[in-house]
Amino acid sequence: GAGVSQTPSNKVTEKGKYVELRCDPISGHTALYWYRQSLGQGPEFLIYFQGTGAADDSGLPNDRFFAVRPEGSVSTLKIQRTERGDSAVYLCASRKTGVSTDTQYFGPGTRLTVL
Amino acid sequence: EDQVTQSPEALRLQEGESSSLNCSYTVSGLRGLFWYRQDPGKGPEFLFTLYSAGEEKEKERLKATLTKKESFLHITAPKPEDSATYLCAVQVFYGGSQGNLIFGKGTKLSVKP
Repeated sequence: GAGVSQTPSNKVTEKGKYVELRCDPISGHTALYWYRQSLGQGPEFLIYFQGTGAADDSGLPNDRFFAVRPEGSVSTLKIQRTERGDSAVYLCASRKTGVSTDTQYFGPGTRLTVL
Repeated sequence: EDQVTQSPEALRLQEGESSSLNCSYTVSGLRGLFWYRQDPGKGPEFLFTLYSAGEEKEKERLKATLTKKESFLHITAPKPEDSATYLCAVQVFYGGSQGNLIFGKGTKLSVKP
């Protein structure tokens, strides 16, 4: 079946602008995660959704970052007043419910560049 | 603080030259250890999950092992197509968190023909 998809694959924006990044999880996966990966680093956790609610947003760096998942499927990561330091690859992952150690499957990521 | 350290940062091998990648971890309580492969410009691709010390898993030329302090990814007779960055991640017991992964920085493997 289809894997996790993310759009856009690349996003270039100017400092101070607002951006939205979209994630389509694997069908039937109710758990969804956002991670951020900077060059030469491993992914870093941002936020976790179980269904429609954000169960853990402890990884969001500041209040410019916000994410939603209104219908328990597609999620959108929103970044306000972008800064150059926000440039990174934003990864989405999903997994089945039931056992938290179930595998997380990652999408291809969105490469965000803030000029 | 929970930490994951991978070594070496980069590894160059000749085709057929076996070697191992290391992932050492310091965590409050391990739920699972994950290995992923990441190709340039792509998302991490799942390889293995290990849950307890002594556990081993194999897939083609790759074998992952786990002790109480570290995990090894053994690569036997590698081929150029094994070239990628290999990421190790741990999942820990937290009161509120539900399974987010803590990653190391990865080992970039290059296999020359």
